[in-house]
Amino acid sequence: GIQVEQSPPDLILQEGANSTLRCNFSDSVNNLQWFHQNPWGQLINLFYIPSGTKQNGRLSATTVATERYSLLYISSSQTTDSGVYFCAVLNQAGTALIFGKGTTLSVSS
Amino acid sequence: EPEVTQTPSHQVTQMGQEVILRCVPISNHLYFYWYRQILGQKVEFLVSFYNNEISEKSEIFDDQFSVERPDGSNFTLKIRSTKLEDSAMYFCASSERVNRNQPQHFGDGTRLSIL
Repeated sequence: GIQVEQSPPDLILQEGANSTLRCNFSDSVNNLQWFHQNPWGQLINLFYIPSGTKQNGRLSATTVATERYSLLYISSSQTTDSGVYFCAVLNQAGTALIFGKGTTLSVSS
Repeated sequence: EPEVTQTPSHQVTQMGQEVILRCVPISNHLYFYWYRQILGQKVEFLVSFYNNEISEKSEIFDDQFSVERPDGSNFTLKIRSTKLEDSAMYFCASSERVNRNQPQHFGDGTRLSIL
C-alpha cells in the first residue's frame, strides 16, 4: 500500500521563527490533507491540497504531485502552533486516508 | 460551518464490556469513516462505510468491531468485548459525495479508556 513519510519527526522553534514540514508519499494521490493535532487531541483540518499551493494566514502548503511530496510552511510561529502536524493521503481505492507519523512542533516564547 | 460531532468525548469502560461510540456526520455527506489513534502514535484507518455497507476495513477491524447507521443521522462504532489495547482516541469522519476526491472532515474524537 501507499507509504507516507514525514520529516522532521520533531522540531523545536523560538516564537517568530519560520519552519517547513515535509511529507513524501510513495504513489500518485488524488487527495492530500494536512492536519494539526492540538494538545486536547483534536484534529484540525489545515489544508486539502492534492496539488498546487494554498495559503491561509501564516500557513501555506504546496503539493507537487508529480514528484510525490508536499510541504507545509509556518511563518512567524506562535506558541499556539505547538502540537503534532499530520499529512494524510487517500489510498488508491479511495476508501481510506493513510496518515504519516507526524511532526511534533514545539514553539517556545 | 457544518461539523462532525462525536459523543461521548471520553468513555471509561471495564475490560470485557461492550462500548458504543456515536457520531453524527455532516448531513449531506455520503461516506463515513472510523479511525483510531493509540496514545503517541499515528492515526490508523479502521473502516469506511457507504450506502449502508462497509467499503473497506483494515486488519485492526476484527470481529470485535462493528459499524451501523441506525437512522438517517447517526453512525456508530461498537466494540463487543473491549480489551486493554482498545484504549485509544477514536475519530469519526465523513466526506461529501460519491466522488472520492473530496476532503474528509473529522470530529473531535472520543477518548476510550479501558480499565
